[in-house]
Amino acid sequence: DAKTTQPPSMDCAEGRAANLPCNHSTISGNEYVYWYRQIHSQGPQYIIHGLKNNETNEMASLIITEDRKSSTLILPHATLRDTAVYYCIVRVVEWSSNTGKLIFGQGTTLQVKP
Amino acid sequence: DGGITQSPKYLFRKEGQNVTLSCEQNLNHDAMYWYRQDPGQGLRLIYYSQIVNDFQKGDIAEGYSVSREKKESFPLTVTSAQKNPTAFYLCASSTSGGDQPQHFGDGTRLSIL
Repeated sequence: DAKTTQPPSMDCAEGRAANLPCNHSTISGNEYVYWYRQIHSQGPQYIIHGLKNNETNEMASLIITEDRKSSTLILPHATLRDTAVYYCIVRVVEWSSNTGKLIFGQGTTLQVKP
Repeated sequence: DGGITQSPKYLFRKEGQNVTLSCEQNLNHDAMYWYRQDPGQGLRLIYYSQIVNDFQKGDIAEGYSVSREKKESFPLTVTSAQKNPTAFYLCASSTSGGDQPQHFGDGTRLSIL
């Protein structure tokens, strides 16, 4: 699975959009981009994933560049409860089986400030 | 509500003792996973199972054992052979195949007395 690079930390003002970048320059054609977050002492929470099209759900939006070498997770209106470590992961998707390993890097610690 | 339940939340082990961590899911997922997380680190895969009565070693299986007798359950035993068992243990499940994500429980924190 491709390696990802994220900034170690970011700050965001409450109510503003939080834009979290991720570089995955060695991503291959069958690798999807997944985003999770982890609040201290809890299990990781799935946020969103995509292959090449931009995706949006009730939590966030995912913008993937046309060359797929980078992506941005957007939390449109950050709240204090969004303070967490955010992980960007790329994973090979095999439609017949799922070896499943998620490789979590160090992630980005997002601090939402009042 | 559907989800993944891990128990206990906190667990203490004496030297030389085996302990078993419970993971139950009611999401009807075929695949289940165990990860270990150390302070300030990412997750590392211990074992995974894609179907009942079958499981494979992950990256750090030494000192651990699992069973998958029921679709809903995937218990992890930390044996006395695991010399550094203090960690946060996370169980996850997913559909088998395709791009659907893994969903995680809230973890068990294991400490050595």
